[in-house]
Amino acid sequence: LAKTTQPVSMDSYEGQEVNITCSHNNIATNDYITWYQQFPSQGPRFIIQGYKTKVTNEVASLFIPADRKSSTLSLPRVSLSDTAVYYCLVVGYNNNDMRFGAGTRLTVKP
Amino acid sequence: GAGVSQSPSNKVTEKGKDVELRCDPISGHTALYWYRQSLGQGLEFLIYFQGNSAPDKSGLPSDRFSAERTGGSVSTLTIQRTQQEDSAVYLCASSLRTGPSSYEQYFGPGTRLTVT
Repeated sequence: LAKTTQPVSMDSYEGQEVNITCSHNNIATNDYITWYQQFPSQGPRFIIQGYKTKVTNEVASLFIPADRKSSTLSLPRVSLSDTAVYYCLVVGYNNNDMRFGAGTRLTVKP
Repeated sequence: GAGVSQSPSNKVTEKGKDVELRCDPISGHTALYWYRQSLGQGLEFLIYFQGNSAPDKSGLPSDRFSAERTGGSVSTLTIQRTQQEDSAVYLCASSLRTGPSSYEQYFGPGTRLTVT
């Protein structure tokens, strides 16, 4: 079973809000949810981390329901430069499984 | 401060030769990770070190792949008898991994390996 499941791709337009959902049904009590962004020819870059409810930083928001079996990365008012692959990764101190999912390829159009 | 560095940035080798890829993590980061990424594909986990020990080696594709980390710092990924399917970008990352706010992985620029 895949550790995390995300949509393969999404399209959006400049100025729109984009929501990318990740399923992680087997998340453990001590696990955290992290999201990364990757541009072509670069290593992934950390975006945001959360445990429950909502987390917001200058880049994005992360919404986590009470059962924590999924999470939604929200990118407000995307621009062309947000075109990238977005990965979610579930991590924890007792969790040594560092397998990223396939990621979601977001394409922002003018 | 300095980020994660990897060397070489590019490596072209002939099939059957051995290669060594090096990763210098951020100073003080106890956790170190190796991934590889083939063109247009996602990240493939290879191995994870906590200090000098590797709790999870299950991602190594075959026994031609090995990795070590000494002194809790620099790590070397070795590929013996390289094959063309080993061609990929090999990424290294490090993290503090000492508590809830320290799981963020910082990635290096990668080593692009081409096996001819």
